[in-house]
Amino acid sequence: GAVVSQHPSRVICKSGTSVKIECRSLDFQATTMFWYRQFPKKSLMLMATSNEGSKATYEQGVEKDKFLINHASLTLSTLTVTSAHPEDSSFYICSASTQRGNNEQFFGPGTRLTVL
Amino acid sequence: SQELEQSPQSLIVQEGKNLTINCTSSKTLYGLYWYKQKYGEGLIFLMMLQKGGEEKSHEKITAKLDEKKQQSSLHITASQPSHAGIYLCGAPLMSGNTPLVFGKGTRLSVIA
Repeated sequence: GAVVSQHPSRVICKSGTSVKIECRSLDFQATTMFWYRQFPKKSLMLMATSNEGSKATYEQGVEKDKFLINHASLTLSTLTVTSAHPEDSSFYICSASTQRGNNEQFFGPGTRLTVL
Repeated sequence: SQELEQSPQSLIVQEGKNLTINCTSSKTLYGLYWYKQKYGEGLIFLMMLQKGGEEKSHEKITAKLDEKKQQSSLHITASQPSHAGIYLCGAPLMSGNTPLVFGKGTRLSVIA
């Protein structure tokens, strides 16, 4: 199957700093990628849809100015958590589809963000 | 909006026993994914079902999608400690390249 990578896998930062998370499709091109967030002992919740060459679309309740998404190429989407606070501590995971056949979604390994 | 209800929320079984996890949708499914997750780690893809009545098996895990495409079950035969984890069902919101909505997960513990 197709491979999606994320970097970093873990990050610890101080409150008020910004953190960038990368999501890459390694062996296919993805015009659309999806970003999810998972709080402890909760399920995955869609945050936003990242569209190559255009603005991301955000789910209700997700602040677009706080969670900046840039999809600059067909293999890379980045999520920047700006002015991070402890309540932003979570597991962030992205997915992408090869858009061939059954549109199966392939997930990255996730990034655990801890804001002190 | 579409919701996926998983049951049970948690399950403790003795090693060697069989178990079933259910996932029920409020709407007709375009497809259904099953994943396993260890706490704090990424998703491990188990199976994807698309057709009504479809059944797939891999090693000791069998997943089924009912004919109406609104309910799926995941069955583990002769459970082992390695089966422990959180099982999540996910479904696309519509056909095509769309994100998944997930159930709340079932936490499985297997005791010796």
